[in-house]
Amino acid sequence: SAVISQKPSRDICQRGTSLTIQCQVDSQVTMMFWYRQQPGQSLTLIATANQGSEATYESGFVIDKFPISRPNLTFSTLTVSNMSPEDSSIYLCSALGWDNRDPQRNTIYFGEGSWLTVV
Amino acid sequence: GQSLEQPSEVTAVEGAIVQINCTYQTSGFYGLSWYQQHDGGAPTFLSYNALDGLEETGRFSSFLSRSDSYGYLLLQELQMKDSASYFCAVRRSDSTLTFGKGTMLLVSP
Repeated sequence: SAVISQKPSRDICQRGTSLTIQCQVDSQVTMMFWYRQQPGQSLTLIATANQGSEATYESGFVIDKFPISRPNLTFSTLTVSNMSPEDSSIYLCSALGWDNRDPQRNTIYFGEGSWLTVV
Repeated sequence: GQSLEQPSEVTAVEGAIVQINCTYQTSGFYGLSWYQQHDGGAPTFLSYNALDGLEETGRFSSFLSRSDSYGYLLLQELQMKDSASYFCAVRRSDSTLTFGKGTMLLVSP
């Protein structure tokens, strides 16, 4: 399975500022994604991080607000721009990795999340 | 559009068996995944079904019927530590996930 590290793990941010979250995977993966989980809610896909090209955003998410980079196969960043209290969420990096219970099968794993509070 | 339905809350006692159902409507279906999330933690992968039938992993099993657009997660020999939220998620062919709203499982002594 892929081990996914995110930082920061938590932060308290001022309204109007921007914060960049980093995601590092311990092995080369083909697919990386960013999800958001607002308080008490389920997870929602923000975008697919594409290596060397622009991310593919889901409806309701735009590049100006959530710029994403993926310079190589194991690293990606998500920036939350011009933050407001509504952006207070857990931001989760995920990657498609191999299922260690079945080496012929891949599955989607999540990092530990970055818990952002905007004040 | 895509939608998944699962119960919002399930309660059970230690040692019991509980089944969490999930029905879905989606395009580009590739498989059904299950994730566990403890309060204050991140989602942890439990199980994945791409084909019809039952997948067993220790105390947890997951079932899929593609023709019925239905799956379930079965938890056996419940323990207090199993108290958590459980999410079903449809995996699409592009490997993105659409999540259900989650089922909170409360296990009591």
